[in-house]
Amino acid sequence: GAVVSQHPSRVICKSGTSVKIECRSLDFQATTMFWYRQFPKQSLMLMATSNEGSKATYEQGVEKDKFLINHASLTLSTLTVTSAHPEDSSFYICSARDKLAGVTYEQYFGPGTRLTVT
Amino acid sequence: GQNIDQPTEMTATEGAIVQINCTYQTSGFNGLFWYQQHAGEAPTFLSYNVLDGLEEKGRFSSFLSRSKGYSYLLLKELQMKDSASYLCAVSVVTDSWGKLQFGAGTQVVVTP
Repeated sequence: GAVVSQHPSRVICKSGTSVKIECRSLDFQATTMFWYRQFPKQSLMLMATSNEGSKATYEQGVEKDKFLINHASLTLSTLTVTSAHPEDSSFYICSARDKLAGVTYEQYFGPGTRLTVT
Repeated sequence: GQNIDQPTEMTATEGAIVQINCTYQTSGFNGLFWYQQHAGEAPTFLSYNVLDGLEEKGRFSSFLSRSKGYSYLLLKELQMKDSASYLCAVSVVTDSWGKLQFGAGTQVVVTP
């Protein structure tokens, strides 16, 4: 149980184009999903918190107009990197909290998406 | 924010024991997680501590002292597959969404 999928697993795009990454909770409902970015040999940096049916909350320093997040249902959140540039190349990981998790704040992680911008 | 510190890298021999320390400074502490992450993969959950003491799960154990802002992850009978990055993460009660703040990770290298 508690499986989170991400699509695509890898994507290469040209500078200036936009890329959409999907995050799905497959066997549970997730009221809250999180988007992280991870550069090589560094830890996970939280980009934003996404709640179903409301606007995402972005961490300080993360451009909300560049990283568009939509959490349209209890099982799907999307991250769109708009006008991507080479410095946006990174490993993007989503995670989800089970709606029924109660006070346990465990997050289930997706397998990640490797974005390369050329 | 929270300051979360853990060593950058540790090396140990197959079959040995390694202890990864994590110290944190936070207000409204609501739990500490340990995750394992292999290169290029997503983190996988190892343990969760919210009360003081030791939690044992097979070869992995995690300890928490809230008064000291300190936790450790103990890996016993090390195997080559345990070579990975180990992430310490803290959640706080002031955040109802359950955000986690991650440490930089400790790279464990297991040698034959």
